[in-house]
Amino acid sequence: GAVVSQHPSRVICKSGTSVKIECRSLDFQATTMFWYRQFPKKSLMLMATSNEGSKATYEQGVEKDKFLINHASLTLSTLTVTSAHPEDSSFYICSALTSGGETQYFGPGTRLLVL
Amino acid sequence: GQQLNQSPQSMFIQEGEDVSMNCTSSSIFNTWLWYKQDPGEGPVLLIALYKAGELTSNGRLTAQFGITRKDSFLNISASIPSDVGIYFCAGQRNSGYALNFGKGTSLLVTP
Repeated sequence: GAVVSQHPSRVICKSGTSVKIECRSLDFQATTMFWYRQFPKKSLMLMATSNEGSKATYEQGVEKDKFLINHASLTLSTLTVTSAHPEDSSFYICSALTSGGETQYFGPGTRLLVL
Repeated sequence: GQQLNQSPQSMFIQEGEDVSMNCTSSSIFNTWLWYKQDPGEGPVLLIALYKAGELTSNGRLTAQFGITRKDSFLNISASIPSDVGIYFCAGQRNSGYALNFGKGTSLLVTP
């Protein structure tokens, strides 16, 4: 199946700093990628839909100025957590949609710990 | 988005036993999917269902798309220790949309 990578796999940062997470579709082009957030022992909750060449669409309750999304190419979307705080600590997972839109492939996730 | 109702929340079984878990929704989905997630990893797709009433198998896994399009179940036959993990159902309204996930079923299998 198709491969989606995320970088970094885990990151620890100080409160107040910004962290960028990359999501790449390695062997296919993805006009749409999704960003999810998962707390320990909880389900995945959609944060935003990232569309190549246009602004991301955010779910209700997700601050767009805090979670900046850029989808500059057909194989790369980035999520930047700005001015991170301890409550932003979580597992962030992206998924990429194949061109026909039928299948979503998930990345391996990025564990963020804000001290 | 809507979170699906998934049960049971957890299961603790012996190797060789069969397992069944299900997912329900108050609204219709046109696609149902089942994923497995290992600790610290992203979800991996197990089975995708695209038609109401569809019954699909993938090795020891069998899943069905409910006729009302509001539910789905996943069966695992003859469980083995490597089946341990968290299983999530997901519904998709239409192609290209994001997924609505269930809360997950944590499966533990003892040798």
